[in-house]
Amino acid sequence: KAGVTQTPRYLIKTRGQQVTLSCSPISGHRSVSWYQQTPGQGLQFLFEYFSETQRNKGNFPGRFSGRQFSNSRSEMNVSTLELGDSALYLCASSLSGIAYGDTEAFFGQGTRLTVV
Amino acid sequence: AQTVTQSQPEMSVQEAETVTLSCTYDTSESDYYLFWYKQPPSRQMILVIRQEAYKQQNATENRFSVNFQKAAKSFSLKISDSQLGDAAMYFCAYRAVQGNNDMRFGAGTRLTVKP
Repeated sequence: KAGVTQTPRYLIKTRGQQVTLSCSPISGHRSVSWYQQTPGQGLQFLFEYFSETQRNKGNFPGRFSGRQFSNSRSEMNVSTLELGDSALYLCASSLSGIAYGDTEAFFGQGTRLTVV
Repeated sequence: AQTVTQSQPEMSVQEAETVTLSCTYDTSESDYYLFWYKQPPSRQMILVIRQEAYKQQNATENRFSVNFQKAAKSFSLKISDSQLGDAAMYFCAYRAVQGNNDMRFGAGTRLTVKP
């Protein structure tokens, strides 16, 4: 059974640009969550998608957005990139989400975004 | 708001010895899950062990066990017979059963295993 796949693994972008990251969950998983990991702030929740709808959202500016497709694959978009957006972006999938009976989420290896 | 605190930024242990990583959390919820995740240099977060708050019995997974003290809001991880492959960042995480589905993480503890 394939795990959670995130692409690309590494990305370098310039301030002001936009970027799209992709996450393919484990087959059959319908919940996809995104996290930002930085040395200063640690792991912070961005948002969660379930059945193509955003179900939960963290405290990030509107420059951070996402979507989920009918096959449960999810994309995260960051517009007008800032230097502070440099981070490891992790995605996690679960069957339907922990509040609905699942207990654990499975993480991908992340996308390392560097903004210069 | 739920917060998770890991007060040990770094820990080291001799191979084959036992080490305990600390975690405390703050919540007003009565029903929740607690996790320990391991993040090796490959960056992939791997679930080590989980604990349901309604269960009094401490969870155990092979060499990994927890000491869950609900009243004290404490959730420590004990690694027995430490192996070189246990070297990684360890994150304690909390997730409420009701409400938002997001997982709250501690700042992490970097574990070094000395041969």
